[in-house]
Amino acid sequence: DIQLTQSPSFLSASVGDRVTITCRASQGISSYLAWYQQIPGKAPKLLIYAASTLQSGVPSRFSGSGSGTEFTLTISSLQPEDFATYYCQQVNSLPLTFGGGTKVEIK
Amino acid sequence: EVQLVESGGGLVQPGGSLRLSCAASGFTFSDHYMDWVRQAPGKGLEWVGRDRNKANGYTTEYAASVKGRFTISRDDSKNSLFLQMNSLKIEDTAVYYCARSLPYSPQDYWGQGTLVTVSS
Repeated sequence: DIQLTQSPSFLSASVGDRVTITCRASQGISSYLAWYQQIPGKAPKLLIYAASTLQSGVPSRFSGSGSGTEFTLTISSLQPEDFATYYCQQVNSLPLTFGGGTKVEIK
Repeated sequence: EVQLVESGGGLVQPGGSLRLSCAASGFTFSDHYMDWVRQAPGKGLEWVGRDRNKANGYTTEYAASVKGRFTISRDDSKNSLFLQMNSLKIEDTAVYYCARSLPYSPQDYWGQGTLVTVSS
């Protein structure tokens, strides 16, 4: 199985901050990586797929990059509604796997 | 508008069974793969299994943690997905989500989830 390691697992930031979350895969997955946002009590919401493609309707302050084994999610200017938990997911091979999550909280 | 609505969750004793349903609307159900993903209380996301579409023979795949105990099926005539869960364990306690997907693509639409609690 492909393991995904997210870092950090927790970060505290202020509105307007630039935030970067990293996801490392245990083996190469090309660009078969997605990012989700989850607000407590809600289903995950797809933000980015194919490592860097923004899902329709997602604000442009979100961006993704990387390929192979190292990927990043960047929020260029954190907004109040962005305080949530973020997960990466590989869709290169079954079983599909998720990173452990990064909780973004208000400083 | 794409909608996925799960139902069937509840409290069940260890060793018991439960069948979850997912009602789909707003898209051509038979064209899509469908996945089940779960989330234990306070924990991360775990892929449970997949049902491939008609074009791929409705074949199924499962996570090792549920293989042999859980069965995914669908009824395209009713736009419905099912998860039959047998021999339930305490560690199966989670919110179960159904989600739409395609090969090499993530889940783009998710249901609201249904809570399964396994406890004596």
